[in-house]
Formats: sequence, structure tokens, C-alpha cells
Amino acid sequence: AQSVTQLGSHVSVSEGALVLLRCNYSSSVPPYLFWYVQYPNQGLQLLLKYTSAATLVKGINGFEAEFKKSETSFHLTKPSAHMSDAAEYFCAVTLSGNTGKLIFGQGTTLQVKP
Amino acid sequence: NAGVTQTPKFQVLKTGQSMTLQCAQDMNHEYMSWYRQDPGMGLRLIHYSVGAGITDQGEVPNGYNVSRSTTEDFPLRLLSAAPSQTSVYFCASSLNRGKNTEAFFGQGTRLTVV
Repeated sequence: AQSVTQLGSHVSVSEGALVLLRCNYSSSVPPYLFWYVQYPNQGLQLLLKYTSAATLVKGINGFEAEFKKSETSFHLTKPSAHMSDAAEYFCAVTLSGNTGKLIFGQGTTLQVKP
Repeated sequence: NAGVTQTPKFQVLKTGQSMTLQCAQDMNHEYMSWYRQDPGMGLRLIHYSVGAGITDQGEVPNGYNVSRSTTEDFPLRLLSAAPSQTSVYFCASSLNRGKNTEAFFGQGTRLTVV
């Protein structure tokens, strides 16, 4: 069965520092992976998605993620954090089969310090 | 283009009361779903629909009912509210149930059961 684990429920970085949010997946078939962002009191917004076309995926707001099959990982990075990046980030995987159902990780809250 | 609209945004219920959370999308999306978000648990799938007249259970369906009489609307009914149903509820839709299809989320309904 597919599952997603996000390491670290809270990550704190200084403005301008590298952002690294970790996501590991478990899947018996090639997965389709997503990163979503949730700003305070809002719904979720797609940051980027991996669909097997390329292992390095670029998303909105300067974020990118690299799919590493050998490590079953899909970590999210951004070279330089902005205050506006403070939010909760969710990694998600779709279930096998053509169901469209998303399985979410527990979420990681990113704090950006001035 | 409104996207996915949820009403109400906030609701307080007494234990045992029933209510319906409304969800509507104007993108002619085939697939719709309901999630609940609880601290430290990410988003968990309650029910989903792959088209008008077709619904199925997700991970945590107990205490909730859904129906899909039109493509646009996917209401979630709480039959007899319990404190354990205090949560933030999100409705999502996607064009189809393909594994790489982006899900669009509503702004959420924050429900408190006292």
C-alpha cells in the first residue's frame, strides 16, 4: 500500500537560508508524487508534481523537488527562504490504479525567521 | 472563475446535531472528494466521487454521508455530530481520476462540536 512520511513536523530557517523539507514514500508501483502548500486559514495549493517525465521538478515560488527512486524520496528544496514561505507543506502520493485518491503525509510547518 | 467553493467557513454544533457542509465546483471536474485535517495527521480522505451518481468511502467514512446528484455539487452530511468530528474539512476536485491530475481545494470549513 502507498504511504508518505514527512520527517519533521516543524522546520525553522532564517530568511535567505536553504529550505529542505523531507518526504519519503512507500509504493509498490511507480508513484505519482505531489507537494502542496497551505497558507494560514487557506486551502491547499499545488506547488509541484512528479509524473515520471523528469526526476527534477520545478514548481512555483522557486521551489523544486527531486525524485530519487533508490532512496524512495521526494524532498522539497528552495535555495533562499523568504518570509512569505512560512506555511504548512504537505507531500502526497496517489494510490495505485486510476482512482485519483491522494494520500497525504502529516505535514511540515515551515517557520522563517528574520 | 470561482473554483471550489465551500460553505460555511465556520460552524459550531452541539453533540447530536446534524448538518450539511456544502461544496460546489464550477470547473466541470469529474472527481470530487472530502478530507478532514487534524493536527499532526495531515489530510485524511472521508468520501470521494468519480462522477455524478457514484460515491465511495475513503479512509475515515464513519459518521458521514455523501451524495453526488450533479457534477457541480458534493455535499457532506454529518448525521449526529460528535466531538471527535471537530476538525477542518476540505473539499477538493480534479478534472479526472488520473494519477497525475492536480487536485483543487476549497478554503475549508472549520467545524467545532461541543
